[in-house]
Amino acid sequence: QTVVTQEPASSVSPGGTVTLTCGLTSGSVSTSHLASWYQQTPGQAPRTVIYGTSRRSSGVPDRFSGAILGNKAALTITGAQADDECDYYCVLFVDPGTRVFGGGTKLTVL
Amino acid sequence: EVQLVESGGGLVQPGGSLRLSCAASEFSFTTYWMTWLRQAPGKGLEWLAHINQDGRAEYYVDSVKGRFTISRDNAKNSLFLQMSSLRAEDTAIYYCARSEADFHYWSYWGQGTLVTVSS
Repeated sequence: QTVVTQEPASSVSPGGTVTLTCGLTSGSVSTSHLASWYQQTPGQAPRTVIYGTSRRSSGVPDRFSGAILGNKAALTITGAQADDECDYYCVLFVDPGTRVFGGGTKLTVL
Repeated sequence: EVQLVESGGGLVQPGGSLRLSCAASEFSFTTYWMTWLRQAPGKGLEWLAHINQDGRAEYYVDSVKGRFTISRDNAKNSLFLQMSSLRAEDTAIYYCARSEADFHYWSYWGQGTLVTVSS
């Protein structure tokens, strides 16, 4: 069974840079996993931020970027703003029949 | 603008059944895979099932296999999730989402419908 890991929580100062990661308990994340990232504020539906590891979804500010760092997928926010404070979820493409979410990271901007 | 509107949620007793619907508009429904996902109260997101364009290919997460059935009516631009043998742990907000086949992600999400399984 594929288990995707994320930091439960992270924090960043306004204007600062933060990197959230998305890994596997067994093995490495690669571009073939087509990592996607979603942000969710309380009471709202998720919003797509990054797809295909590093592609920004339409309307997403360029302070958001995605990449593979080491053996994990990573979402980096450069120049964090107060309204970036929310939950972030990564998803990995495992096979045509399977998508697996990480547990999510609660990002605090303070 | 693309719209996905879920309906059919509500309170159901353990062991009961419920059918969720998702009405799609402002895009060519027949050309997209579609997905159901859920989020239990205070918990993370979970992919449940997806279905291909003509409804002939379906995939499910293990926890709902044999209990949930995804289907679609392309003539009515609608997606469905038939849920049976419901358990307390199925209590969640259920979302439908449009899948992008090239990079296997969800580009549009509905606002969700709440399903509560309780006696």
